[in-house]
Amino acid sequence: RKEVEQDPGPFNVPEGATVAFNCTYSNSASQSFFWYRQDCRKEPKLLMSVYSSGNEDGRFTAQLNRASQYISLLIRDSKLSDSATYLCVVTQTGNQFYFGTGTSLTVIP
Amino acid sequence: DAGVTQSPTHLIKTRGQHVTLRCSPISGHKSVSWYQQVLGQGPQFIFQYYEKEERGRGNFPDRFSARQFPNYSSELNVNALLLGDSALYLCASNTWTAMNTEAFFGQGTRLTVV
Repeated sequence: RKEVEQDPGPFNVPEGATVAFNCTYSNSASQSFFWYRQDCRKEPKLLMSVYSSGNEDGRFTAQLNRASQYISLLIRDSKLSDSATYLCVVTQTGNQFYFGTGTSLTVIP
Repeated sequence: DAGVTQSPTHLIKTRGQHVTLRCSPISGHKSVSWYQQVLGQGPQFIFQYYEKEERGRGNFPDRFSARQFPNYSSELNVNALLLGDSALYLCASNTWTAMNTEAFFGQGTRLTVV
């Protein structure tokens, strides 16, 4: 079983739409949770950390449900510049990062 | 400040050859990790080094090896290359804390095995 499971998409949404990505993880001892963004042929870059209390950064909201081992990312008012692959990341002891397959998002004018 | 730097950026090798990839972490970061990203997949953990010691190893064959130097830079070595080793190899550095912190990635080395 994979450490992290994500719906690969692709998600094609119009500008201004709200889109949600989901992710599940298998190891209940996982310690930290992140969403990374990866543009085509570029390296992943941190979008936001995810906390149990939920956290928001502008148009982006991340949620963590430890009981269900579930992580989500909500993007409101989608912009063309949001088009990218969004990677769900879970860490266990020792700073080892486990990535999901990534979810592809294309925002259409 | 320089970010994580990797070299070379692109590389073409033939099957059976050996390759060495290099990574310099962000200044002050003592932990370096290596990841393999095959097209269409998320990065897969290969190795982690901290203070020149291996602290973690992913599910990769013994053809893959790595080391970290006193200046915290790192090398990833792959022997007897296979076509399936073609991928983007990413290096990440971060600080080593009890609570895992953000990992900063280099731009990667794109390896093509022909």
